[in-house]
Amino acid sequence: NAGVTQTPKFQVLKTGQSMTLQCAQDMNHNSMYWYRQDPGMGLRLIYYSASEGTTDKGEVPNGYNVSRLNKREFSLRLESAAPSQTSVYFCASSLLPGGDVNTEAFFGQGTRLTVV
Amino acid sequence: GIQVEQSPPDLILQEGANSTLRCNFSDSVNNLQWFHQNPWGQLINLFYIPSGTKQNGRLSATTVATERYSLLYISSSQTTDSGVYFCAPRPYGQNFVFGPGTRLSVLP
Repeated sequence: NAGVTQTPKFQVLKTGQSMTLQCAQDMNHNSMYWYRQDPGMGLRLIYYSASEGTTDKGEVPNGYNVSRLNKREFSLRLESAAPSQTSVYFCASSLLPGGDVNTEAFFGQGTRLTVV
Repeated sequence: GIQVEQSPPDLILQEGANSTLRCNFSDSVNNLQWFHQNPWGQLINLFYIPSGTKQNGRLSATTVATERYSLLYISSSQTTDSGVYFCAPRPYGQNFVFGPGTRLSVLP
């Protein structure tokens, strides 16, 4: 049981390049999330998907797009990378979205992205 | 939105010491988690504790939702406890909001 798996673990991009971060969970969870963590700070929500077929903006969505490909997979795309997007990106999943009691979240191991 | 404060921001302990980390939040929540981010950046679930007290080995946590705070207790600290501890409360109908974290260093 792998939990939440992110790929790649590390990536270096040049300004203006595009890339997609992949996330998959095998816990049959309905909700998935993308966070970013800047040095010395907590995590901030970029986008989330409360259930398959839905996506919504979080706190810092500018410069990103997401796709909930199916119940297992939730990808994050940077169309034109900028140095300000240098960060560690975490994917997470929970059984149910906010508002329900059983909403423990589980996180992937992170993707360290550097934009030069 | 909800405001989350954690204290202290930094903590240095000698191995074997005990500590208490605090998380204050400004709104009602129906969920709260504590995470440990180890020196390699991995986020580890410690507790899912919307209310009450839970214990897991040397760690325990208490959340008093009516007073809008949660405490994480670490007893007999070990060097492997080093890292950053985050609380993440979840207001009703919203997503988790992470606090700024407490950076813990346990010295041998």
